[in-house]
Amino acid sequence: DAKTTQPPSMDCAEGRAANLPCNHSTISGNEYVYWYRQIHSQGPQYIIHGLKNNETNEMASLIITEDRKSSTLILPHATLRDTAVYYCIVRRTGRRALTFGSGTRLQVQP
Amino acid sequence: SQTIHQWPATLVQPVGSPLSLECTVEGTSNPNLYWYRQAAGRGLQLLFYSVGIGQISSEVPQNLSASRPQDRQFILSSKKLLLSDSGFYLCAWSVLEGANYGYTFGSGTRLTVV
Repeated sequence: DAKTTQPPSMDCAEGRAANLPCNHSTISGNEYVYWYRQIHSQGPQYIIHGLKNNETNEMASLIITEDRKSSTLILPHATLRDTAVYYCIVRRTGRRALTFGSGTRLQVQP
Repeated sequence: SQTIHQWPATLVQPVGSPLSLECTVEGTSNPNLYWYRQAAGRGLQLLFYSVGIGQISSEVPQNLSASRPQDRQFILSSKKLLLSDSGFYLCAWSVLEGANYGYTFGSGTRLTVV
């Protein structure tokens, strides 16, 4: 699976959009981009995933660049409950296990 | 609906004692099952995964072992705990749904070895 690079921490004001970047410059054609988050002392929670098209669900939007070398997770209206560590994971089809990196610690400020 | 149960939530064990953590899944058949560990302030490390009864793959050499005696039961064990075994242990399951292996994690067991 391709390696990902994320900033270690970010702050965001409550009610504003949180844009979390992820670099995956070595991604290959059959690898998906996944985002999970882990709220303190809980198990990780699936947010969204995509291959090359932008994706949106009730939690977030995923924007993947045309060359697929980077992506951005967007939380449109961050709340205090969105404070968590966010993990960007690249995983190829067929590989069963997720490999977690260090993630980005997002702190939503009141 | 599918649910995953993991227990106990917290555990304090002395060095050298045995360990048994259990994880069960409901509402699905033939899931892939995983054990992850998270040391304090660190990321998640995959320990074991299983694609079926009696089939265990180990990702890292260590003091722990895993077993899958039933389709929806996954057990993490140790004969003699070390201080370095302390951490947050998470069980997860997945099934293929289209191109997405929909991973679901349990609530975790926080193990402190003293």
